[in-house]
Amino acid sequence: AQSVTQPDIHITVSEGASLELRCNYSYGATPYLFWYVQSPGQGLQLLLKYFSGDTLVQGIKGFEAEFKRSQSSFNLRKPSVHWSDAAEYFCAVGGIGGAQKLVFGQGTRLTINP
Amino acid sequence: SQTIHQWPATLVQPVGSPLSLECTVEGTSNPNLYWYRQAAGRGLQLLFYSVGIGQISSEVPQNLSASRPQDRQFILSSKKLLLSDSGFYLCAWRRGQALYEQYFGPGTRLTVT
Repeated sequence: AQSVTQPDIHITVSEGASLELRCNYSYGATPYLFWYVQSPGQGLQLLLKYFSGDTLVQGIKGFEAEFKRSQSSFNLRKPSVHWSDAAEYFCAVGGIGGAQKLVFGQGTRLTINP
Repeated sequence: SQTIHQWPATLVQPVGSPLSLECTVEGTSNPNLYWYRQAAGRGLQLLFYSVGIGQISSEVPQNLSASRPQDRQFILSSKKLLLSDSGFYLCAWRRGQALYEQYFGPGTRLTVT
């Protein structure tokens, strides 16, 4: 079965610093990978997705992610974080079975120090 | 453009009372619809999904049920709420032809007292 691991439950970075959130997946075939962001009390917003092709994908809000098949990873990066980036971030992989379900990681909570 | 609505936004209900949460999608037809629950500090748990009117699949046995009376309407219900039903409930939709890509509603915060 597919699974997603986000090793870091909570990360704190200073405003203006670079950011990398880790995501590892377990999937037998070519994965469909996603990053979502959730502000407190809100729904999830799609940041970016990877299906195939260029392994470095660009998303909204200045985020990017790199797919590395050899490491089964899809890490999210941002060169310079802003206070408004404080949120919960979820990595997800497209699962097998009906209705094309997504399998989510447990999330990483990002705190920004001023 | 497509939008997804959920209501109510917040709900406080006593144990043993019934529940009805509604989700509607605008601007698309025949979407796949999903109900998730997010407990405090936890990830997302898929509860139900639907590929069409009247077609409901349950992911985990629980105190909840779902229905899809119209193409773009998805309802989450319970006859008798338990304390463990507290959480943040999220509805999501996927365009029928899109691969896995889901879009989420604003959520409903349910507190069972």
